[in-house]
Amino acid sequence: AQSVTQLGSHVSVSEGALVLLRCNYSSSVPPYLFWYVQYPNQGLQLLLKYTSAATLVKGINGFEAEFKKSETSFHLTKPSAHMSDAAEYFCAVSDQSWTGFQKLVFGTGTRLLVSP
Amino acid sequence: KAGVTQTPRYLIKTRGQQVTLSCSPISGHRSVSWYQQTPGQGLQFLFEYFSETQRNKGNFPGRFSGRQFSNSRSEMNVSTLELGDSALYLCASSLAFGDTNTEAFFGQGTRLTVV
Repeated sequence: AQSVTQLGSHVSVSEGALVLLRCNYSSSVPPYLFWYVQYPNQGLQLLLKYTSAATLVKGINGFEAEFKKSETSFHLTKPSAHMSDAAEYFCAVSDQSWTGFQKLVFGTGTRLLVSP
Repeated sequence: KAGVTQTPRYLIKTRGQQVTLSCSPISGHRSVSWYQQTPGQGLQFLFEYFSETQRNKGNFPGRFSGRQFSNSRSEMNVSTLELGDSALYLCASSLAFGDTNTEAFFGQGTRLTVV
């Protein structure tokens, strides 16, 4: 079964600094990978997704992620952090069963803290 | 276009009671999934429905059940509530079934507190 591992439960950056959130995946087949963001008391919002069309994926709010098969990684980056980026970020992989059903398997999440 | 709507947003129930949560998917979406989010276990898959049929179920006890109606709206039910059922329950809708490329859109969740 597919799985993802997020390194670091908390990441702190200053406003304007680079944001780097790490995600490594485990998959026996080419994976479909996603990054979601969750603001307090809210649901999940899709930031971006990798579907094998391009290794560098651009998402909303200035975020992007690069798929690196050799490193089994899909790290999320943003060149310059804003205060509004403070939230929890989840990496997820799509896990498909033999029935054709697919579900999302989430990492444990990384809370991004942005200081002025 | 309206998003995924979950009702109610907040619930407080007593141990032993049962609860029903509702999810209205995005118009045209036929697949609805449910996830439980807790600080200890993170986000865990509960089940998915497509065309009124449960297609798969996560590793949860039989107290957790659900159903989907012909208009794709879904409900989940938890019977004999336990303190550990306190969680944020998230519903996600997607257009297709069995497509790993499909995007899941999440509702704002229902915060269930069991006392």
